[in-house]
Amino acid sequence: GNSVTQMEGPVTLSEEAFLTINCTYTATGYPSLFWYVQYPGEGLQLLLKATKADDKGSNKGFEATYRKETTSFHLEKGSVQVSDSAVYFCALSDRSSASKIIFGSGTRLSIRP
Amino acid sequence: EAGVTQFPSHSVIEKGQTVTLRCDPISGHDNLYWYRRVMGKEIKFLLHFVKESKQDESGMPNNRFLAERTGGTYSTLKVQPAELEDSGVYFCASSQLPAETQYFGPGTRLLVL
Repeated sequence: GNSVTQMEGPVTLSEEAFLTINCTYTATGYPSLFWYVQYPGEGLQLLLKATKADDKGSNKGFEATYRKETTSFHLEKGSVQVSDSAVYFCALSDRSSASKIIFGSGTRLSIRP
Repeated sequence: EAGVTQFPSHSVIEKGQTVTLRCDPISGHDNLYWYRRVMGKEIKFLLHFVKESKQDESGMPNNRFLAERTGGTYSTLKVQPAELEDSGVYFCASSQLPAETQYFGPGTRLLVL
């Protein structure tokens, strides 16, 4: 079945450091891929998405590229800020199971000033 | 435009009691989803409504959970009787069409003692 595997946390970085959170997926079809973020005390927000191979999703300085050949959707940001501290979830949805999003286990990111 | 709202934001109950969670989707969104995250693990799909009909309830853990969406507007998720392992965060999401972006609410944090 479909699944998402993402980097275990927690991840702690200094402000202005480069961020990568790895995400790989298993899917039988051609899924859409997402990164969701949950800031402290808030709900889940869609950060970015990509719907087909080689698409790049981007938002708030974050980027992720849909790589079909490596079944990956790694999240990157060139210079993180304290305000980026949150839990990040990689996820997918597949037209064959359009009703559900399958999430990874989440990666907690903490940024030191 | 108002987002997805959930009530209550937190609930603390004792084992064996009943709790009812409510979700109000974005106006005009026929598709409503329930998910939950227990014990810091991955967020898992519970069920999907299209208007007032259950489209997919494959994620419902057992018959102690009852979801309704009378009139196709807001939805309730009742847990009766609650068990310790039901503790977690319950998220609701809505979308205009299946397989479109799902917008999540802030979640209800449930603690069963």
